[in-house]
Amino acid sequence: EPEVTQTPSHQVTQMGQEVILRCVPISNHLYFYWYRQILGQKVEFLVSFYNNEISEKSEIFDDQFSVERPDGSNFTLKIRSTKLEDSAMYFCASSEAGAGSPLHFGNGTRLTVT
Amino acid sequence: KNEVEQSPQNLTAQEGEFITINCSYSVGISALHWLQQHPGGGIVSLFMLSSGKKKHGRLIATINIQEKHSSLHITASHPRDSAVYICAVRVGGSQGNLIFGKGTKLSVKP
Repeated sequence: EPEVTQTPSHQVTQMGQEVILRCVPISNHLYFYWYRQILGQKVEFLVSFYNNEISEKSEIFDDQFSVERPDGSNFTLKIRSTKLEDSAMYFCASSEAGAGSPLHFGNGTRLTVT
Repeated sequence: KNEVEQSPQNLTAQEGEFITINCSYSVGISALHWLQQHPGGGIVSLFMLSSGKKKHGRLIATINIQEKHSSLHITASHPRDSAVYICAVRVGGSQGNLIFGKGTKLSVKP
């Protein structure tokens, strides 16, 4: 069965550094999403992406975050200048269509900011 | 602001028991998701529903729109069902813009 794949599984970075988290959504999916889960807390929506642009974003997704689909297969989340509080598990998900389509999640990237 | 409340927070069951996990939300929604988060952290979508009932294998999900309540049932529970079960709701907007509950940690003992 096709899967959403995320790399790396664990990333350690120093505060102030830029990180790029990578995701390869399922190939025929058109809608892409990023979520984060701070340790011990709820999963939170960050952003949704369709047709090469952001369709919706949460208050968390401020100017330090950006998303891109650079080559038609990858979907990336960039954090420009990481802070300690960015330490979390970041999940990518995709869906074939919009409303009514199930979400398929990747296994997540654990980001640790030191 | 919509809140999603799950109960119980933690649940321990013996293998074979019938499990019920509840989810309540405070405003109208367009869809509700049940998700399973494995100990390693990965998330799997179990159900997406906007009315009625859905069944997949030993799992059953129901929703009552009027009462703003959903339940996830597991029949004949097994230790491999041990995971965190998360309820998430879509209030409007894009498919993936979900509000998540804190999750119910289920442990099934052999």
